[in-house]
Amino acid sequence: EDKVVQSPLSLVVHEGDTVTLNCSYEVTNFRSLLWYKQEKKAPTFLFMLTSSGIEKKSGRLSSILDKKELFSILNITATQTGDSAIYLCAVESGGSNYKLTFGKGTLLTVNP
Amino acid sequence: NAGVTQTPKFRVLKTGQSMTLLCAQDMNHEYMYWYRQDPGMGLRLIHYSVGEGTTAKGEVPDGYNVSRLKKQNFLLGLESAAPSQTSVYFCASSPDPYNEQFFGPGTRLTVL
Repeated sequence: EDKVVQSPLSLVVHEGDTVTLNCSYEVTNFRSLLWYKQEKKAPTFLFMLTSSGIEKKSGRLSSILDKKELFSILNITATQTGDSAIYLCAVESGGSNYKLTFGKGTLLTVNP
Repeated sequence: NAGVTQTPKFRVLKTGQSMTLLCAQDMNHEYMYWYRQDPGMGLRLIHYSVGEGTTAKGEVPDGYNVSRLKKQNFLLGLESAAPSQTSVYFCASSPDPYNEQFFGPGTRLTVL
């Protein structure tokens, strides 16, 4: 059975802190790993990672994938209160049958 | 562009009642998906479609049916609602399985 495990499940930090969110996975026929941010409603896309060791960056957010050790991290530097959200990790896998497995998410709270 | 829209936004059903959730996208995407999100469980794939006229089972398909008669619409049906189907339902679409998914705003369903 495919598994995606995120840690920590929740995290409280102060504005300006740097945070690292973790996502490990065990899937058959890995295709890609995706990070989403979910505030009050729909998840919004952050990154898609397919290759090991290549960092993807968008402003204060960055992510990297390690396909050998089967994990990814999402870094957020100089956190702001607007970064407060649930961060979801998902892994695409499967051969002829499409499969996307989500982790349970990390709830990040950034206090002023 | 409206992106992905879902109807209705909220619904309360009694056990045994039936209903249909409508998802529409105006991005000409081939792939469409239905997820449910429960506290502590993350997002779980119910059914998906790889194109007009096609449907396939996801991780938790039991108790649900779907139809994709038109490319832009993906319907999720509950024939006989059960309290275990109380959840937030998200629809998503993507141009193909190798790209990000765009999510709708969600439908909060309560089954009494």
